[in-house]
Amino acid sequence: EVQLVESGGGLVQPGRSLRLSCAASGFTFDDYAMHWVRQAPGKGLEWVSGISWNSGSIGYADSVKGRFTISRDNAKNSLYLQMNSLRAEDTALYYCAKDMEELLWFGALDYWGQGTLVTVSS
Amino acid sequence: EIVLTQSPGTLSLSPGERATLSCRASQSVSSSYLAWYQQKPGQAPRLLIYGASSRATGIPDRFSGSGSGTDFTLTISRLEPEDFAVYYCQQYGSSPGNFGPGTKVDIK
Repeated sequence: EVQLVESGGGLVQPGRSLRLSCAASGFTFDDYAMHWVRQAPGKGLEWVSGISWNSGSIGYADSVKGRFTISRDNAKNSLYLQMNSLRAEDTALYYCAKDMEELLWFGALDYWGQGTLVTVSS
Repeated sequence: EIVLTQSPGTLSLSPGERATLSCRASQSVSSSYLAWYQQKPGQAPRLLIYGASSRATGIPDRFSGSGSGTDFTLTISRLEPEDFAVYYCQQYGSSPGNFGPGTKVDIK
């Protein structure tokens, strides 16, 4: 059974940093691209960032480019999102999601975690 | 960057009726790399359709997707009570993999 468990969320002041983690199990982690998608309270989904199976391809939404860094550790079956210079508008539930396409850069997202909440406020 | 728009914003229908949801892209989506997701309150999104028209594993055949280029449609042939939810389209042919703003299907 595929499981994605996010952690690392919390309350943080504007301008500070936070690192999210996603622990994956139930599939061959290093065969699939992984993504972060966020959802502000009461709003729609926003794709934040994605990373290919071998970290060779990485993408970011314009809203986070230069502030957020995605990475993965295939030996630990883990995905990360380093978030710097956080703003109030980064407040959201952050989902980790698995790409459905094996060994490709970008596919549909077939499994999602339950999310970790990030609140940016003074 | 490809921008997606969805219409209508809200669709009010009764169980048993047919639902037709639209997703339009600001430029052509390569290789029909378009997906549809369903999200219910308090839950993570669930993949329904990928490649514009392929149903994901375990998705009932009352859900169908169609379209190409810039115009895509999700059809629910006969609404079941559990289908009332918000539906999002997403293009994944190029980064960023933007989502549309969503269509809420609620009970009339």
